Amino acid sequence: GAGVSQSPSNKVTEKGKDVELRCDPISGHTALYWYRQSLGQGLEFLIYFQGNSAPDKSGLPSDRFSAERTGGSVSTLTIQRTQQEDSAVYLCASSGQVTNTEAFFGQGTRLTVV
Amino acid sequence: KQEVTQIPAALSVPEGENLVLNCSFTDSAIYNLQWFRQDPGKGLTSLLLIQSSQREQTSGRLNASLDKSSGRSTLYIAASQPGDSATYLCAVNDYKLSFGAGTTVTVRA
Repeated sequence: GAGVSQSPSNKVTEKGKDVELRCDPISGHTALYWYRQSLGQGLEFLIYFQGNSAPDKSGLPSDRFSAERTGGSVSTLTIQRTQQEDSAVYLCASSGQVTNTEAFFGQGTRLTVV
Repeated sequence: KQEVTQIPAALSVPEGENLVLNCSFTDSAIYNLQWFRQDPGKGLTSLLLIQSSQREQTSGRLNASLDKSSGRSTLYIAASQPGDSATYLCAVNDYKLSFGAGTTVTVRA
């Protein structure tokens, strides 16, 4: 596609429910990142995929968070048993190769847990 | 762990003035550094990418410098306009992107 696409753009969910956030990277990009941005805060790294390598999950805040990337393309971030502190904007980015190409971000998914 | 700091946190200038935004990082073993712009409620827009072997990169009114050995980058925006009002973020790539907290810029008409 022309850019990184994220869906849904907004999601309101009840505390305790599971949610899935989707990211479609730029076609051909091998690297994919997920970040979280809480209100008025900086970007917090969550997880990084590069090609067929094992993902770097070091930023996931708890075992309620998981992510997968199918076929080296689309990625889904899943949050189980959502809590109010999970409310944030979740941003996805992709790049061609980690060493020397630009990263491009999607418009984000705004998650509100009520 | 890579730490990225941006100074100042906020900046307000009259239209036409030049802007100077600073970014510092603790680990110089980086692949590249990228400057982004974020408008309220929006995603990040890439402005400039500087490879670790480069000292400078320019795009229109924007110029970014990189001194990898001292762990510093500076973004210059010439002849600022009200449309330049946004939050500017620098990100250091040492296999994942580590972000500063950003500089929020207001350009007064």
